[in-house]
Parts: sequence; C-alpha cells; structure tokens
Amino acid sequence: DAGVIQSPRHEVTEMGQEVTLRCKPISGHNSLFWYRQTMMRGLELLIYFNNNVPIDDSGMPEDRFSAKMPNASFSTLKIQPSEPRDSAVYFCASRFAGQGSAFFGQGTRLTVV
Amino acid sequence: EDKVVQSPLSLVVHEGDTVTLNCSYEVTNFRSLLWYKQEKKAPTFLFMLTSSGIEKKSGRLSSILDKKELSSILNITATQTGDSAIYLCAAVSQGGSEKLVFGKGTKLTVNP
Repeated sequence: DAGVIQSPRHEVTEMGQEVTLRCKPISGHNSLFWYRQTMMRGLELLIYFNNNVPIDDSGMPEDRFSAKMPNASFSTLKIQPSEPRDSAVYFCASRFAGQGSAFFGQGTRLTVV
Repeated sequence: EDKVVQSPLSLVVHEGDTVTLNCSYEVTNFRSLLWYKQEKKAPTFLFMLTSSGIEKKSGRLSSILDKKELSSILNITATQTGDSAIYLCAAVSQGGSEKLVFGKGTKLTVNP
C-alpha cells in the first residue's frame, strides 16, 4: 500500500479563494482524521470520520471549513473563503479503529496571501 | 474537553546525553497512548502503550505508561543529532469511534 496520500503537497492561494484539500486513506482503514499544524497551536484535530460518517467536527474553526467523506477511499477538506490565518500544514491520517496507530499523509502546506 | 500536555516544549542537549520527555493526558475513556517522531514531514509512529508499567523499547528509545498518574514518558539514551525532531504524543479514546488527541509536542535539538 502506498500509505495515506494527500494532494496537493503545496497550495498558494489568494485570500477569498476556495481551497480543496484531498486525502486517500490506507485501504481497509475505517477511521480518518484531518489535522492542522501550526507553530503556535501544534497539531489540532479538525474533524474525524468513522466508517465515512463524521463523528466529531468540534475542532473545525468556523463555517468556512467543511469536510466530506463520500466513500471509504476519499475525503476532502474545503475552505471557502480562505483567509491568511488559515495558512498551515494540513495532515490527513487514517487507522483501523480499535487497532494500532494512525498513519499520516505527507501533508498539504497551505499559504493564503 | 480532552487534553494532552507535553513538557518541556523544547529541549537542547549535546550528543550522548539522555533525555526524558513527558506527556500527561485527560481523555474520556482512555484506551491507549501513542508516541510519534516528526522531522521535516509527517509524524512517524514510534510506540503504542496500552498497559500501565510495561516498557516498550526500540533501540535507544523506550517508553512507559502510568495510568494512575495519567502520564507517559519517552526516554532517549545516548542521543544523536539524528534524534533532533518534534516528539508528539497522542491519547486515544475508547469506543466505537476512537478519537486521537495530540499534544503540542516537544522540540528536541541534539547538538554535536
């Protein structure tokens, strides 16, 4: 398995634009997590899914953020409209619930100018 | 609210030193604790701890969980410059839908 795959690896966009981050979890994993990492706040949990169902989105900063998981092999995190303070590295991670650790993708470095 | 606190936030040592990193947690229905190492890219898995008092070891790294104190430590002996990284711990809650909550990490710098 290629591991958790995120795209794009880097994204630079202008304030106000819509940004969509993508994640393909490891095949067979049934839990998926979206995290945001900044120097100030560390690794923050934004939302997580279990069996494609959003379980806890209390970490999503505001209504500008939304996430979907239409099937077991794909998830998106959308920011609309984007703001400079959204600049961070966004990680997706997956695991098999009840077993073992979570595996991370390589992250998307988002810069909003 | 679930919370994981790591200390110290940063640490600078010389090669050969031994370091101890701390992690404390307050999580509803705690199940396990995970340690990760993050260099320039994604966090990579080090240990999973489920039972109190049982040490997990991998080379110069070892870790132990204390459920009574709601804490864990990660030890690195004979540190090397390649150990320089951010070390993250995460608490896993128990249940059908398990949540991973991370601490802010400890940034370790090992100087030659």
